Amino acid sequence: NAGVTQTPKFQVLKTGQSMTLQCAQDMNHEYMSWYRQDPGMGLRLIHYSVGAGITDQGEVPNGYNVSRSTTEDFPLRLLSAAPSQTSVYFCASSPLAGQGVYNEQYFGPGTRLTVT
Amino acid sequence: ELKVEQNPLFLSMQEGKNYTIYCNYSTTSDRLYWYRQDPGKSLESLFVLLSNGAVKQEGRLMASLDTKARLSTLHITAAVHDLSATYFCAVGRGGGATNKLIFGTGTLLAVQP
Repeated sequence: NAGVTQTPKFQVLKTGQSMTLQCAQDMNHEYMSWYRQDPGMGLRLIHYSVGAGITDQGEVPNGYNVSRSTTEDFPLRLLSAAPSQTSVYFCASSPLAGQGVYNEQYFGPGTRLTVT
Repeated sequence: ELKVEQNPLFLSMQEGKNYTIYCNYSTTSDRLYWYRQDPGKSLESLFVLLSNGAVKQEGRLMASLDTKARLSTLHITAAVHDLSATYFCAVGRGGGATNKLIFGTGTLLAVQP
């Protein structure tokens, strides 16, 4: 099992550019989520999905879009990058609450994004 | 609104000493997680605590949960350099089963020889 994979590992964007961060998991998890990690602020939830075709907003969704066409993939799109979106982005997956005992989230390796 | 507070934010300790990291949360939750993050790396699950009074131990780390006090602790026994990392607690948002987590700001632990 590869677990949760993310691409790219690093990315530099200019203000106003758009891009898609890729996330895939091979554990057949229904729940997938995107977080951003900023110094001194822990991880904050951007968007999440409880299954193919179902997505919802987290704490900090502005400037990001997601879609979930398959169980495996959950891409995060930056529509028009801003310097405030400079951060480390983590994708995570887990079984749905109520389907497993622990439902711990498994995290991908992260994408370090810099917007200039 | 669920808030999760960790303290201390930074902890420098000597090898061989004991210390405790505290995680307070503001509303009812059915589970609490502890994660470890090494510099530049991803998050690794350490413990999942499901009920009041739950205690779990792995090596030099022991986590406990008091749901009435809305407090979890991560106790470090006889610290070694390999434990240097950032430790996060995370709480399920809202009552009942949920996947949505609120993370604390993290505790950066530096173990000095």
